[in-house]
Amino acid sequence: GAGVSQTPSNKVTEKGKYVELRCDPISGHTALYWYRQSLGQGPEFLIYFQGTGAADDSGLPNDRFFAVRPEGSVSTLKIQRTERGDSAVYLCASSPGTANSPLHFGNGTRLTVT
Amino acid sequence: DAKTTQPPSMDCAEGRAANLPCNHSTISGNEYVYWYRQIHSQGPQYIIHGLKNNETNEMASLIITEDRKSSTLILPHATLRDTAVYYCIVRAIHYGGSQGNLIFGKGTKLSVKP
Repeated sequence: GAGVSQTPSNKVTEKGKYVELRCDPISGHTALYWYRQSLGQGPEFLIYFQGTGAADDSGLPNDRFFAVRPEGSVSTLKIQRTERGDSAVYLCASSPGTANSPLHFGNGTRLTVT
Repeated sequence: DAKTTQPPSMDCAEGRAANLPCNHSTISGNEYVYWYRQIHSQGPQYIIHGLKNNETNEMASLIITEDRKSSTLILPHATLRDTAVYYCIVRAIHYGGSQGNLIFGKGTKLSVKP
């Protein structure tokens, strides 16, 4: 079946601009996660949704980062006033939401801030 | 911080078994051991997880020591396509909030050579 889909696959933007990154989870998955991965590092947790609400946003680095999931399916990660340090691969994952269920990852959006 | 320790890199000959070690000496009774791998330019891929018993699936086997302080992921017949970064992660059983997250370290870069 279809996996986690992330769009766009690549995004280049100028410093100071606003960007939105989209995640389409696996159908029926109630839990959705956003991670960020810098070169040579493992993925770093940003935020987790259970249904429509953000159950844990402790990984968001600052208030320029925000994510929504208004209908409990598709999610959008929003970054305001982008900085060059925001350049990374942004990964989305979903899971059925039951205890111990594995996370299934998309292939990410590579964001480059020039 | 990640709760696991893995060697930064390993080599394996094609067709031989790849044995990837992981130390998780501070693991608690309510934590599973999960393994993921990440092939270049792709998102992390779930491999296997276990609590205290050894586990096997179509991809790999997971051997957990009796004291649960370490584990080994075994790829029985490594192929060139198994070249990837392998992440060992401990994850709390209790589901809710950040306890459902995966905290990634830097993993082991496995290179399968012809």
